[in-house]
Amino acid sequence: DSGVTQTPKHLITATGQRVTLRCSPRSGDLSVYWYQQSLDQGLQFLIQYYNGEERAKGNILERFSAQQFPDLHSELNLSSLELGDSALYFCASSPTGNTIYFGEGSWLTVV
Amino acid sequence: KNEVEQSPQNLTAQEGEFITINCSYSVGISALHWLQQHPGGGIVSLFMLSSGKKKHGRLIATINIQEKHSSLHITASHPRDSAVYICAVRNTGNQFYFGTGTSLTVIP
Repeated sequence: DSGVTQTPKHLITATGQRVTLRCSPRSGDLSVYWYQQSLDQGLQFLIQYYNGEERAKGNILERFSAQQFPDLHSELNLSSLELGDSALYFCASSPTGNTIYFGEGSWLTVV
Repeated sequence: KNEVEQSPQNLTAQEGEFITINCSYSVGISALHWLQQHPGGGIVSLFMLSSGKKKHGRLIATINIQEKHSSLHITASHPRDSAVYICAVRNTGNQFYFGTGTSLTVIP
């Protein structure tokens, strides 16, 4: 158990819909990262937050947004969903500059 | 062009063999991570390197900053080492780039 909690574990939704994925980092970790893993694209970095502020941005679509709340949990919002958004979405957290701890992921299926 | 290239893509080894997985990158980095992903999806960070060499049990990771190259070695491989190994680099802007992974199968 990495200490990073992601919900939901599985989600099936229709095209055009909007979903929110939630992540609770390890206690005390200020950094939260979001990644997408699909069969055709592999693992891709989406975005990083540090203590509530956006720190780095990767290949995150404009239809996607994220935020980190004062209690350090984070949410990834995916809107206008397309079939190609079906993927495993990982959240990870880390103490500053150190090892990254991954959650178990949220499986999103868009039908 | 991928910022991170891994080789080999697939690797099958007999139990007990010494295994090497290579990673080359083209961006300036602040750190390099080796990740392990077992069937079923979970990802574990094995090492974070910014220079030199690290060892944890039967796993050894090295990095050569000048050559922009890292290697992950597994000594005395075991079937439980079967997994996908992913090299990831964090650039100086805190963005991550990932290799496509090396799928390792260790046969008893």
